[in-house]
Amino acid sequence: GQQVMQIPQYQHVQEGEDFTTYCNSSTTLSNIQWYKQRPGGHPVFLIQLVKSGEVKKQKRLTFQFGEAKKNSSLHITATQTTDVGTYFCARSGNTPLVFGKGTRLSVIA
Amino acid sequence: DAGVIQSPRHEVTEMGQEVTLRCKPISGHDYLFWYRQTMMRGLELLIYFNNNVPIDDSGMPEDRFSAKMPNASFSTLKIQPSEPRDSAVYFCASRVPLAGPNTGELFFGEGSRLTVL
Repeated sequence: GQQVMQIPQYQHVQEGEDFTTYCNSSTTLSNIQWYKQRPGGHPVFLIQLVKSGEVKKQKRLTFQFGEAKKNSSLHITATQTTDVGTYFCARSGNTPLVFGKGTRLSVIA
Repeated sequence: DAGVIQSPRHEVTEMGQEVTLRCKPISGHDYLFWYRQTMMRGLELLIYFNNNVPIDDSGMPEDRFSAKMPNASFSTLKIQPSEPRDSAVYFCASRVPLAGPNTGELFFGEGSRLTVL
């Protein structure tokens, strides 16, 4: 199936630093979803992006969908220890979600 | 609503034994998905159902794996016989019917952690 690639695989930051994870596809995406999974937990939906060039914000989180709809990013401003977890992007549409491998974020207090 | 409910939360079994994982989706959701998560392979879709009918089982690794959904409120994933490489966290997820502005987000259960010795 059509995969989505996420980078980086791991990211360690000091509390207060910013964090960005990127999601890339070789084909055009109809839309993309982002999920967060806390250690030992289950994936929890964060947001869906549909439109080319779309930007959405949730408090310290900013989500972007590329103009060509082949990439997306999640940016966290001033990370906190509560941001620890793995962030997944997932290609969505009328077919079941296909998840990227995720970016595991560690925050050092 | 209680969310997606999975059981058991943890299962430790020996190679060759039968394993049955259970899932109760959120009421009113018409899609149900079974995912498997490992460090090496990430989240893999095994099979999904729409209105209790299996739509795509191409992700099921082998004939040892089978899944059923006898009614809208219950699904099982069975592994027989189990092998150590089946050790993983198995997630069930459900989704509302897609309509209008519906986002199609998945609601995951807490997962069943399977260890096969």
